Amino acid sequence: DIQMTQSPASLSASLGETVTIECRASEDIYNGLAWYQQKPGKSPQLLIYNANSLHTGVPSRFSGSGSGTQYSLKINSLQSEDVASYFCQQYYNYPTFGGGTKLELK
Amino acid sequence: QIQLVQSGPELKKPGESLKISCKASGYTFTDYAMQWVKQAPGKGLQYMGWINTQTGKPTYADDFKERFVFSLETSASTAYLQINNLKNEDTATYFCAPGEVPFAYWGQGTLVTVSS
Repeated sequence: DIQMTQSPASLSASLGETVTIECRASEDIYNGLAWYQQKPGKSPQLLIYNANSLHTGVPSRFSGSGSGTQYSLKINSLQSEDVASYFCQQYYNYPTFGGGTKLELK
Repeated sequence: QIQLVQSGPELKKPGESLKISCKASGYTFTDYAMQWVKQAPGKGLQYMGWINTQTGKPTYADDFKERFVFSLETSASTAYLQINNLKNEDTATYFCAPGEVPFAYWGQGTLVTVSS
């Protein structure tokens, strides 16, 4: 299985700040990567697919980038509603998820 | 719109079995496979596998080849996850999600608690 290493595990940021979360795959996943947002007690919501494509209805302050084994999710101008956990998922091979990043307000 | 409604929370003892349901609406049930994902308390997401809604053939991830059974009731647009011989480590929220990866739609999750 492809291992996904996500960092940081937790993150504290201020409103309006830019935040970056990273995922590293154990092998090349050829942009087969998605990012999800999960709020407490809720199901995950798709934000980004194919590494850099914004899912329908997702605010443009979210963006994804990367290639090969290194990928990142950037949130520009952090809003209070962005407080959540974020997970990456590779689907180049049998799907696997990163360990998650818990984003809190400073 | 596509909706997935899962059955309610379960409290079970080790060794018991349970069956979680996932009722789909807003699309033709057999157009998309049904996927299952586990999330242990305070932990990340773990892909369990999927079931072909046209043939009923399940495919399980390595960690879920024993004790876990995916099934369908196509006439009711419902998918099921059965867990046999429950263990403490099965305590988790289980999600269903239709279609291919990545998952644009998710059920609300079913919390399963296994405790003696």
